[in-house]
Amino acid sequence: DTGVSQNPRHKITKRGQNVTFRCDPISEHNRLYWYRQTLGQGPEFLTYFQNEAQLEKSRLLSDRFSAERPKGSFSTLEIQRTEQGDSAMYLCASSLIGGPQETQYFGPGTRLLVL
Amino acid sequence: AQSVTQPDIHITVSEGASLELRCNYSYGATPYLFWYVQSPGQGLQLLLKYFSGDTLVQGIKGFEAEFKRSQSSFNPRKPSVHWSDAAEYFCAVGAGFTNAGKSTFGDGTTLTVKP
Repeated sequence: DTGVSQNPRHKITKRGQNVTFRCDPISEHNRLYWYRQTLGQGPEFLTYFQNEAQLEKSRLLSDRFSAERPKGSFSTLEIQRTEQGDSAMYLCASSLIGGPQETQYFGPGTRLLVL
Repeated sequence: AQSVTQPDIHITVSEGASLELRCNYSYGATPYLFWYVQSPGQGLQLLLKYFSGDTLVQGIKGFEAEFKRSQSSFNPRKPSVHWSDAAEYFCAVGAGFTNAGKSTFGDGTTLTVKP
């Protein structure tokens, strides 16, 4: 069990460019979550998947954001036409659904800076 | 809807002193309460959680917390703080029985430990 991994760890991009982040969850976990964390704030829920199905999207997720989880394994989060306000840490977490003892395991995050 | 508020943005304690972290929770009929710790450059790590059962919960790093329904509180305590406890601490509340992993986070409490 190598934990949740995220790539890249840091990304600097210019406004208007597209970026894509990848999350590899713990292998047997069937739920995968994306959060955004801005400086001085706690993580904010963006979206989550159960296996390959995207079950919920936050209103924070504008139409410039899209997430996928093909085959229920890794997930990607893409931001199109980035804006400076997208600068944040993007966190991924995974969990194994099985009643109320669901525990999320978080990755180290991808820090995005939009210039 | 569930919500959390962390009243202390920053706490400074001396090494060896006791510590209590605070969070004001608002939740539905059943609480799904979490505390996470985030060290610099690290992902969020689960410190404690409470769903049901024994109201006194032992967590990692020597923390414990007691769920007090009448006060809607679940505040971690540690009798003797170590320098390695310096980190940011987040409380969170889960969305429900089948969706406890979709959490609403507080804005965090930064703990500084003085030698």
